[in-house]
Amino acid sequence: GQNIDQPTEMTATEGAIVQINCTYQTSGFNGLFWYQQHAGEAPTFLSYNVLDGLEEKGRFSSFLSRSKGYSYLLLKELQMKDSASYLCAVMDSNYQLIWGAGTKLIIKP
Amino acid sequence: GAVVSQHPSRVICKSGTSVKIECRSLDFQATTMFWYRQFPKKSLMLMATSNEGSKATYEQGVEKDKFLINHASLTLSTLTVTSAHPEDSSFYICSARPPSADYEQYFGPGTRLTVT
Repeated sequence: GQNIDQPTEMTATEGAIVQINCTYQTSGFNGLFWYQQHAGEAPTFLSYNVLDGLEEKGRFSSFLSRSKGYSYLLLKELQMKDSASYLCAVMDSNYQLIWGAGTKLIIKP
Repeated sequence: GAVVSQHPSRVICKSGTSVKIECRSLDFQATTMFWYRQFPKKSLMLMATSNEGSKATYEQGVEKDKFLINHASLTLSTLTVTSAHPEDSSFYICSARPPSADYEQYFGPGTRLTVT
């Protein structure tokens, strides 16, 4: 079966750095996505990785290792507005997104 | 960037009635649209894939006669929840994919459905 695993909840301090991990097992691989979702809102796109390595975009970076079925989202200089759920999703061989359950990130002052 | 709208954003209906949710791509044509539902603290669950001019492809376990999907144009897809029951209360989200894209999806803001 297809499976995406990510921690349920994480807590971090404002101004700090946090790494959210995601492991996956899917039928084929056409890229891995990270989305941010605030409560009661739709997901917003953060990053897309299809090749191994690190993609940096401002305060957010995303890493992928296809051989390990592993990715992480790194958030630097955390701000209170970063409190949200972070969803990991993998696009399978049929170009369908398989979603993780999301990691709720709580930022404390 | 590409914008997708949904209407209504919130709806409350009585058990047994039907509710229609619209999903529109505002500045691009979407040959493919997706409908998801999300229960509190749960992941998005794909309900169906809607292709313009053809019948929707439903995921296993999703009743096609209960969740009617119509993708009549390149900018509009509708989801109708028929004979709604309280267990249908959920957050429904659509997304749209531009024709030239393999992986891009743009999400609508979602519709909160409450069935009383």
